[in-house]
Amino acid sequence: SQQGEEDPQALSIQEGENATMNCSYKTSINNLQWYRQNSGRGLVHLILIRSNEREKHSGRLRVTLDTSKKSSSLLITASRAADTASYFCATDAQGAQKLVFGQGTRLTINP
Amino acid sequence: GAVVSQHPSRVICKSGTSVKIECRSLDFQATTMFWYRQFPKQSLMLMATSNEGSKATYEQGVEKDKFLINHASLTLSTLTVTSAHPEDSSFYICSALRGAYNEQFFGPGTRLTVL
Repeated sequence: SQQGEEDPQALSIQEGENATMNCSYKTSINNLQWYRQNSGRGLVHLILIRSNEREKHSGRLRVTLDTSKKSSSLLITASRAADTASYFCATDAQGAQKLVFGQGTRLTINP
Repeated sequence: GAVVSQHPSRVICKSGTSVKIECRSLDFQATTMFWYRQFPKQSLMLMATSNEGSKATYEQGVEKDKFLINHASLTLSTLTVTSAHPEDSSFYICSALRGAYNEQFFGPGTRLTVL
């Protein structure tokens, strides 16, 4: 079953703008991971944030985690056309290795 | 690092035949790999957890006799779709577990079309 819910389901912005995607989950977690998927391709690992971390950066990506609200956000700054993809959050419930994925956000960057 | 490959990337087969998909971790060893299925414009659904040297653990509703998983080495897991039917047509993606923090690295996926 899906643990995570992401919003928005779809997001369309102009190149150069920032994109924010949100993820909520239901159970306690060890880690939360964000992935990107281009159409018809596999998933690219973006960032892993541990449950004791609140914020993490990687290049133009910023991830926050609020375990009290069971939510995370992914911010992409200065978006580019190449950022067009689907973005998924995935959580591993404490004590489990397997991931449960959210429904994903389809991000479109318009040139 | 952390590269995972899948082969084949695309396969078309006739109904009733069996299809084998390979998942390899190229630059690390993976005791645990996972197999997912993804329908168009949907998220990934975990099918099974593949454990090196032991039986796979299947998710509820996934037929283990239909989807045979073999994890014979620390770098290779295979998924065999037996007696494939059109409803098995889907995008199958594997991942390999690496590190202490359960990071999963995904293969590029295999598009299966059963005619």
